[in-house]
Amino acid sequence: EDQVTQSPEALRLQEGESSSLNCSYTVSGLRGLFWYRQDPGKGPEFLFTLYSAGEEKEKERLKATLTKKESFLHITAPKPEDSATYLCAVQARRGNNRLAFGKGNQVVVIP
Amino acid sequence: NAGVMQNPRHLVRRRGQEARLRCSPMKGHSHVYWYRQLPEEGLKFMVYLQKENIIDESGMPKERFSAEFPKEGPSILRIQQVVRGDSAAYFCASSPQVDHTDTQYFGPGTRLTVL
Repeated sequence: EDQVTQSPEALRLQEGESSSLNCSYTVSGLRGLFWYRQDPGKGPEFLFTLYSAGEEKEKERLKATLTKKESFLHITAPKPEDSATYLCAVQARRGNNRLAFGKGNQVVVIP
Repeated sequence: NAGVMQNPRHLVRRRGQEARLRCSPMKGHSHVYWYRQLPEEGLKFMVYLQKENIIDESGMPKERFSAEFPKEGPSILRIQQVVRGDSAAYFCASSPQVDHTDTQYFGPGTRLTVL
C-alpha cells in the first residue's frame, strides 16, 4: 500500500524566515509526486508535479525537489499569504491514477 | 474556463436520510475522482470514473455508497442511510486524460454534516 508521511505536522514561521517541508513516501513504482495547497474551507489547489529523482520545480517563493524516497517543499522568505496546509500526494504507475495523500503540513506565517 | 464545480457546498442530513453530492468536471475533462477528508485525516481516495464507467471503486465502502458519471450531466456520489461517521468533506477532482501529465484539479468540496 502506498504511504505518505509529512513532517512537521505544523509549523509557525516569522515573515521572511525560510524553511522546508518534508514528504516521505513509499510507493510501488512512482508515476508522479504532487504538491497541493489547501486553505481552510477550500479544495486543494495544484502547485507542482515531480516525476523523477533530481527534478526541481519553482513557483514564486516555493521550490519542490524530489529524491527516490522523499520530496521537499522549500519556502523562501515566506509572507503571511503563504499560510496554508500543504499536501503531498503520490501516484503509482499501477494504481488507476488514484492519489495517496499525506496528512499535510500546516504552515502559519506571522507578520 | 470554469474550474471543477461541486454542489451543494454544505449539506445537512439526519441519520437514515440520503445524501447526493454533485460534481461537474472542468471543461474538456472526462475523468472524475472522489475523495473524502475526515477531520484530522488526510484525503482518502474513494472512486475513479470515466463517462458511464466505474474504473476503480477500491476506496469506496461496500455498503450505502455509490457513484455514477452519466453520459450527460454531473457525476453523483450517493450515500444512503447516512450515519454520523459519514460527516466529512467530500472532494471531487477531474483530469483531462490518462497520461503522464494527468494532474487532478479539485473542486471546493461538499461538507456533509449528519445530525
